[in-house]
Amino acid sequence: SYELTQAPSVSVSPGQTASITCSGDKLGDKFACWYQQKPGQSPVLVIYQDNMRPSGISERFSGSNSGNTATLTISGTQAMDEADYYCQAWDSDTAVFGGGTKLTVL
Amino acid sequence: QVQLQESGPGLVKPSQTLSLTCTVSGGSISSGGYYWTWIRQHPGKGLEWIGFIYYSGSTYYNPSLKSRVTISVDTSKNQFSLKLNSVTAADTAVYYCARDNPDLQRLFDYWGQGTLVTVSS
Repeated sequence: SYELTQAPSVSVSPGQTASITCSGDKLGDKFACWYQQKPGQSPVLVIYQDNMRPSGISERFSGSNSGNTATLTISGTQAMDEADYYCQAWDSDTAVFGGGTKLTVL
Repeated sequence: QVQLQESGPGLVKPSQTLSLTCTVSGGSISSGGYYWTWIRQHPGKGLEWIGFIYYSGSTYYNPSLKSRVTISVDTSKNQFSLKLNSVTAADTAVYYCARDNPDLQRLFDYWGQGTLVTVSS
């Protein structure tokens, strides 16, 4: 079955740029989404179609996807961005999520 | 604004059937165009897609759960439901219902608040 791999945790200083990666076989041939989940809340879509932002999502969030790796980039990271981030793609009509990355803003 | 709300027992005994319902408001399931989905999250863990149903009743399930899962729809009540049989402690999780929007790319644009289901005797 298809797998997406994420680092368990990433730390960033306020105001700096955070990069969260997601790896999967030929992931660049698929569209990747990213979801943000804060403690006790439901996930929220922050990036779709590799690099598109839904309405209401800050311009500080951007994405890319090429080869075997999709990347979520958060520029000017703020304390409010501290959350778990999950990548997601589709494989044969099955949704696959990465294991999630906990972003800590130190 | 579409809203989804899960409901059902928070405690299920091992070997029994977990049953949850998702009530959709702000949009009609029968209007088509979306896949109505169940996703779960084990405590402190990541997200696991369970499956979806279309308004017509067509379904697709995660192969890893397919033998135990049934998703159904009641368009008259604007609800869809999940049944997971022969549950064990490993099925303890927060269960979310969500809308899968295939407009540009299949993505989950609306989620319920989630409901914790504990499997325990």
